[in-house]
Amino acid sequence: GIQVEQSPPDLILQEGANSTLRCNFSDSVNNLQWFHQNPWGQLINLFYIPSGTKQNGRLSATTVATERYSLLYISSSQTTDSGVYFCAVVTQGGSEKLVFGKGTKLTVNP
Amino acid sequence: SAVISQKPSRDICQRGTSLTIQCQVDSQVTMMFWYRQQPGQSLTLIATANQGSEATYESGFVIDKFPISRPNLTFSTLTVSNMSPEDSSIYLCSVGRGGNEKLFFGSGTQLSVL
Repeated sequence: GIQVEQSPPDLILQEGANSTLRCNFSDSVNNLQWFHQNPWGQLINLFYIPSGTKQNGRLSATTVATERYSLLYISSSQTTDSGVYFCAVVTQGGSEKLVFGKGTKLTVNP
Repeated sequence: SAVISQKPSRDICQRGTSLTIQCQVDSQVTMMFWYRQQPGQSLTLIATANQGSEATYESGFVIDKFPISRPNLTFSTLTVSNMSPEDSSIYLCSVGRGGNEKLFFGSGTQLSVL
């Protein structure tokens, strides 16, 4: 099956810093989503981005489908950005289930 | 988006008992999924809950252990049967509207088995 690798596994920032999270995938996809799981366990869908670039406030994401990677940018980080960020994909021609990466744990210190 | 109500939010159960988790959506959805998240791990799909037919289980998950109901397009239940401490996890309900759509999650059920 498809492999989804996220890096870095852990990231510690000071409030106000910027960061880039990466998601590599091993096969062609027609669905890629980024999620944020807050420290209380709630999963929030940040982006549906199988290709191209999207922005939402301080967050933006870019997927280069031909090169099989996606990036999530967090600018001017805040303590509320802490949590785990997951990338999840659906392979082209496969089942419709999302396959999740192992996540990047982000800690933003005040 | 979708508003998903999942309950209970947490429970502590004894070994050998069963727990049923409910997932209610505020609108009709095509696809409902159940995920498990073991401590410190990523999400693993347990099964797809199909309305009007049996659920489709992923490798490593069986109906006897995780029976699922989907009586209509807005509701599903997952039962964790004959629990052991290894079943201690967060169980999450998620919904999509079919095709390449965003997936939304309920708030999860934190299960601890003693």
